[in-house]
Amino acid sequence: GAGVSQSPRYKVAKRGQDVALRCDPISGHVSLFWYQQALGQGPEFLTYFQNEAQLDKSGLPSDRFFAERPEGSVSTLKIQRTQQEDSAVYLCASSLFGQVIYEQYFGPGTRLTVT
Amino acid sequence: QQPVQSPQAVILREGEDAVINCSSSKALYSVHWYRQKHGEAPVFLMILLKGGEQKGHEKISASFNEKKQQSSLYLTASQLSYSGTYFCGTEFQGGSEKLVFGKGTKLTVNP
Repeated sequence: GAGVSQSPRYKVAKRGQDVALRCDPISGHVSLFWYQQALGQGPEFLTYFQNEAQLDKSGLPSDRFFAERPEGSVSTLKIQRTQQEDSAVYLCASSLFGQVIYEQYFGPGTRLTVT
Repeated sequence: QQPVQSPQAVILREGEDAVINCSSSKALYSVHWYRQKHGEAPVFLMILLKGGEQKGHEKISASFNEKKQQSSLYLTASQLSYSGTYFCGTEFQGGSEKLVFGKGTKLTVNP
């Protein structure tokens, strides 16, 4: 009955390092979304999965960003060769159904700081 | 394409009312409202579909004006727990399957 969980909660990376952020959605939720939230801004869409299929990755800022959800549950967002502009909170959200008009349940986020 | 929220910030005394607006330059299919407290996850408040629907959630209600492509969130008799940043997320007509969020409205309710 737990909500969406994300790990780690905080990550400090040196510029150029690779990072992997994990999202555990609510069990049985079909849709999974990744957002990037800069300080003082609203969440910005990165990518969307319906089960294991990545249906939209138009928000990924560059080819350094990669997301997967191989078994339709847990998802990982990977950022290669991190840059300072990647510093932000990365939010994951899941939804029971496969359409965006339904309520999204957000995780607490991973705060990434690139030094 | 990002919706514009107004005001950017509002300070209330407990018991006062507030209205937060969300305007889009593109035709909308749905508008979603979330509240986020500092350092926490955004929490769902309500969804409005096109059709001028008005919904309520305790003392928080919202409307969707399809003609103006605008949604308004009404907070009546505000409580201390209402403090936080309110975001509208918009889904454009055409089935984009993603939400575009505004920059948020920071609401502070003081005793």
